[in-house]
Amino acid sequence: DAGVIQSPRHEVTEMGQEVTLRCKPISGHNSLFWYRQTMMRGLELLIYFNNNVPIDDSGMPEDRFSAKMPNASFSTLKIQPSEPRDSAVYFCATSAWDRDTQYFGPGTRLTVL
Amino acid sequence: GENVEQHPSTLSVQEGDSAVIKCTYSDSASNYFPWYKQELGKGPQLIIDIRSNVGEKKDQRIAVTLNKTAKHFSLHITETQPEDSAVYFCAASKDSSASKIIFGSGTRLSIRP
Repeated sequence: DAGVIQSPRHEVTEMGQEVTLRCKPISGHNSLFWYRQTMMRGLELLIYFNNNVPIDDSGMPEDRFSAKMPNASFSTLKIQPSEPRDSAVYFCATSAWDRDTQYFGPGTRLTVL
Repeated sequence: GENVEQHPSTLSVQEGDSAVIKCTYSDSASNYFPWYKQELGKGPQLIIDIRSNVGEKKDQRIAVTLNKTAKHFSLHITETQPEDSAVYFCAASKDSSASKIIFGSGTRLSIRP
């Protein structure tokens, strides 16, 4: 199995630009989580989906952030407009429906100048 | 909501010695406690987990203990090796199906040669 796939691995953009991060879950996994990791705040859950439906988005910091899961094999996290304080590593993790173990992708390191 | 506290934030041990990382949780309904290891530039990876109906679990040099009464759990690594150097996260979840996992703040473990 290829594991959770995230793209891009690195993204450098300028303040005000739109950023789209992508995630492909492990085949057969029905739950998908987006996390943000920073030195100051650690690992924060932003949003998670079960069967492509958003269940809890209370961790999404602002309306500038949005996430979609149009089908079982793809999810996006979008930031529009981006700000320097959005600089962080963003992880996608997935799990099977009836298990708790979450499998993390390699992350996307976002730098907003 | 659930809150997970982790100590220490940094830990340095001599190669071959043991390392212990401790966590406490606040929600007595939590019943699943995974531990993740994060190496530099990678996503967190599950190394061991324990459920509330078990007091201790071992996997080679790694063991986890759980005290439900005191609401704390610990990770023990014996005969430490250089490849054990990483950041370790404890976490807690209170639902049996795929759900939110609350992470601790992490412990940076360094193994001195």
